[in-house]
Amino acid sequence: EAGVTQFPSHSVIEKGQTVTLRCDPISGHDNLYWYRRVMGKEIKFLLHFVKESKQDESGMPNNRFLAERTGGTYSTLKVQPAELEDSGVYFCASSLTRTALTNPYGYTFGSGTRLTVV
Amino acid sequence: KQEVTQIPAALSVPEGENLVLNCSFTDSAIYNLQWFRQDPGKGLTSLLLIQSSQREQTSGRLNASLDKSSGRSTLYIAASQPGDSATYLCAVLTGTASKLTFGTGTRLQVTL
Repeated sequence: EAGVTQFPSHSVIEKGQTVTLRCDPISGHDNLYWYRRVMGKEIKFLLHFVKESKQDESGMPNNRFLAERTGGTYSTLKVQPAELEDSGVYFCASSLTRTALTNPYGYTFGSGTRLTVV
Repeated sequence: KQEVTQIPAALSVPEGENLVLNCSFTDSAIYNLQWFRQDPGKGLTSLLLIQSSQREQTSGRLNASLDKSSGRSTLYIAASQPGDSATYLCAVLTGTASKLTFGTGTRLQVTL
């Protein structure tokens, strides 16, 4: 079974440019999450999709971030325009079910996209 | 608001030693706690997941315990090896939300 795939693995862009990150979850996982780790800080939740619907986007920092999940398969996270403070590692995760009590396997994370805004 | 703390922030031990990593959380109403490993430049690898009703989970040389009432979890690594060098993260799932709250991690180095 393929894991969670993210690309690109690294991206260096200039302030003001646009970047789009992509995540392919494990096949059959309806739940897809985006997290991010800013340098020196803990990994923080950004948003959660159930199929193509945004279930929780309380962690999105501002309206420069736009996440989509067309058809309930892969997801994209667009940052437009990028700012210096957006630099960090963006992780995607997927899970089989939403309710933790019925999900004994937890979350599977991708390798992350390291975004550097200069 | 759930907060997760990991102590120590960094740890260096010689090969063969047994070691304990600590994780504490402020809200004991968790669904589960998960320990992850992160290698430099890599993603997160799930090591162990403990449901709120469980006290511990074991996988090979790893043993994780959970004391929900006191808001603590430990990850015990037996007979450490250089290949265990990585950052270890704990994360809890709290309340009805599906989002994980992470600690800042413990950076472990096992020396020859």
